[in-house]
Amino acid sequence: AQSVTQLDSQVPVFEEAPVELRCNYSSSVSVYLFWYVQYPNQGLQLLLKYLSGSTLVKGINGFEAEFNKSQTSFHLRKPSVHISDTAEYFCAVSHILTGGGNKLTFGTGTQLKVEL
Amino acid sequence: DVKVTQSSRYLVKRTGEKVFLECVQDMDHENMFWYRQDPGLGLRLIYFSYDVKMKEKGDIPEGYSVSREKKERFSLILESASTNQTSMYLCASSPGGSGGLRTIYFGEGSWLTVV
Repeated sequence: AQSVTQLDSQVPVFEEAPVELRCNYSSSVSVYLFWYVQYPNQGLQLLLKYLSGSTLVKGINGFEAEFNKSQTSFHLRKPSVHISDTAEYFCAVSHILTGGGNKLTFGTGTQLKVEL
Repeated sequence: DVKVTQSSRYLVKRTGEKVFLECVQDMDHENMFWYRQDPGLGLRLIYFSYDVKMKEKGDIPEGYSVSREKKERFSLILESASTNQTSMYLCASSPGGSGGLRTIYFGEGSWLTVV
């Protein structure tokens, strides 16, 4: 079965500092990987996704993530955060189901809190 | 743009009531999903459907049922609401086949409070 682990439930960081949000997945088949962001009282917004090709994926708002197959990781990074990046971030993996169709499995989320 | 619309943004229901959460998508997607989101637990899949009149249990189906009579509409039903079903519910849709693995679209969410 596929699963996603986000080890850090909360990450505090000062504005303009770099940040890394960690994500590890387990899967016996090829998967697609995603990062979503959820701002307070809003729905999910896609930050970036890895489907194939270059292992370094660039997303919106200056975020990027690197797919590392040997370590089964897909960590999210930003070199300099802004107060507006305060939000909850979810890592997810997409996979095909044996009975047909597909589904997205999410991690438990990481709350990023940017402080002045 | 793809649009996934959840009919109610905020609901307050009483324990024991039957609750319907409606979701409509306008892109002729085969796959539709219902998730619930709780602090510290992330998003957990309740039910999904990959065709009309088809439904499959997700990771936490207990206490819920679903209906998909038309391709564009996927309803989540709480037969007898309980306080532990107070949560945010998110509907999503995606294309069939390998396209569905690449892209999934979410609604804005429905906040359900059961008192």
